[in-house]
Amino acid sequence: NAGVTQTPKFRILKIGQSMTLQCTQDMNHNYMYWYRQDPGMGLKLIYYSVGAGITDKGEVPNGYNVSRSTTEDFPLRLELAAPSQTSVYFCASSSPPRDRTPTGELFFGEGSRLTVL
Amino acid sequence: KNQVEQSPQSLIILEGKNCTLQCNYTVSPFSNLRWYKQDTGRGPVSLTIMTFSENTKSNGRYTATLDADTKQSSLHITASQLSDSASYICVVRSNYQLIWGAGTKLIIKP
Repeated sequence: NAGVTQTPKFRILKIGQSMTLQCTQDMNHNYMYWYRQDPGMGLKLIYYSVGAGITDKGEVPNGYNVSRSTTEDFPLRLELAAPSQTSVYFCASSSPPRDRTPTGELFFGEGSRLTVL
Repeated sequence: KNQVEQSPQSLIILEGKNCTLQCNYTVSPFSNLRWYKQDTGRGPVSLTIMTFSENTKSNGRYTATLDADTKQSSLHITASQLSDSASYICVVRSNYQLIWGAGTKLIIKP
């Protein structure tokens, strides 16, 4: 059981380049999330999805885009990379919440460390 | 503003010793409080989730407490092991939103 799988683990981008961080989960979770983690800070929610075809912005969505064409996959696209996007990115999925709100138990991937130079 | 603050920022203890990590929050409305363990270079892994009515919850050598009146939580680690070296993150849920603390970095020395 792989859980949540993210690729790539490491990437260096030049300013202005674009790239896609891949995320897939095999737990049949409806809810998926993208977070970024900066040194000394709590995780910040970028985008989330409550099911295939449905996405919504989190706290820090600017400079990012997502899509959710299948239950399993939730890619995060960075357009026109900027140094401020240097961070560690985590994808997560959650089991069905008990009270029907999209924050049940979270399962995280291993993270993708992105550096923009 | 909803906030979660953790202390200390970092902590070094000897293997076999106990320690307690603190979490203070100013979050309203409160739904539940979670503790996560994050090993270096890995994603966070859930240790425990506590609801408003729960005062204490254990997961092996980890015991979390919650005082909803003072808006404080603690995570107590008993008989620490080298594998306990990690960051411990307190997270408070408010309706659909999760507010993450910055974490306490714990180092266990042999």
